[in-house]
Amino acid sequence: QQQVKQSPQSLIVQKGGISIINCAYENTAFDYFPWYQQFPGKGPALLIAIRPDVSEKKEGRFTISFNKSAKQFSLHIMDSQPGDSATYFCAASKGGSEKLVFGKGTKLTVNP
Amino acid sequence: DAGITQSPRYKITETGRQVTLMCHQTWSHSYMFWYRQDLGHGLRLIYYSAAADITDKGEVPDGYVVSRSKTENFPLTLESATRSQTSVYFCASSEWGTAGYTFGSGTRLTVV
Repeated sequence: QQQVKQSPQSLIVQKGGISIINCAYENTAFDYFPWYQQFPGKGPALLIAIRPDVSEKKEGRFTISFNKSAKQFSLHIMDSQPGDSATYFCAASKGGSEKLVFGKGTKLTVNP
Repeated sequence: DAGITQSPRYKITETGRQVTLMCHQTWSHSYMFWYRQDLGHGLRLIYYSAAADITDKGEVPDGYVVSRSKTENFPLTLESATRSQTSVYFCASSEWGTAGYTFGSGTRLTVV
């Protein structure tokens, strides 16, 4: 049972474009939704996270949009740069639990 | 150095052998986790620990053993390695009350 579904599996964007990665979840007990960025040969690193009491969170060029009724959240990367080329994972955890459930990842390629 | 370190970085072992992957963190974080990363499966939780001497199974625990006698160390042992355990293994830690993980750099394990 896949608790967090992530799409697309891969994404190619031109430099300066907007990258959008989507995730959907089933468990309404989830209340913490982070995104992780992973470069080849490295461990994932926390990029940005949101809780369901807000619909959007922005940090620099990275924005999480959250739709509680649809049980969906997405990562938007504005003005995408070649340095953003990486694999992105969405994740979710339940209140009071530190266990994260991860999506399967999206490999983003930003062409110069 | 402060942080979370995994060793070895790369390991090749034969089917049936026992192998131990090491994980050490310097923050005294309460929680530690072991994930495996496989193409098409994303990150899957093997075992986690909420504190010293407290461990629990994750999504894919079969064939693995963990221990946590000290807060800072969380070794993962493959008792009798199989080819299906060829993977990249990531250790992570987080403080109590937050799911903001910090990951190690990973161990790439090949079972031949």
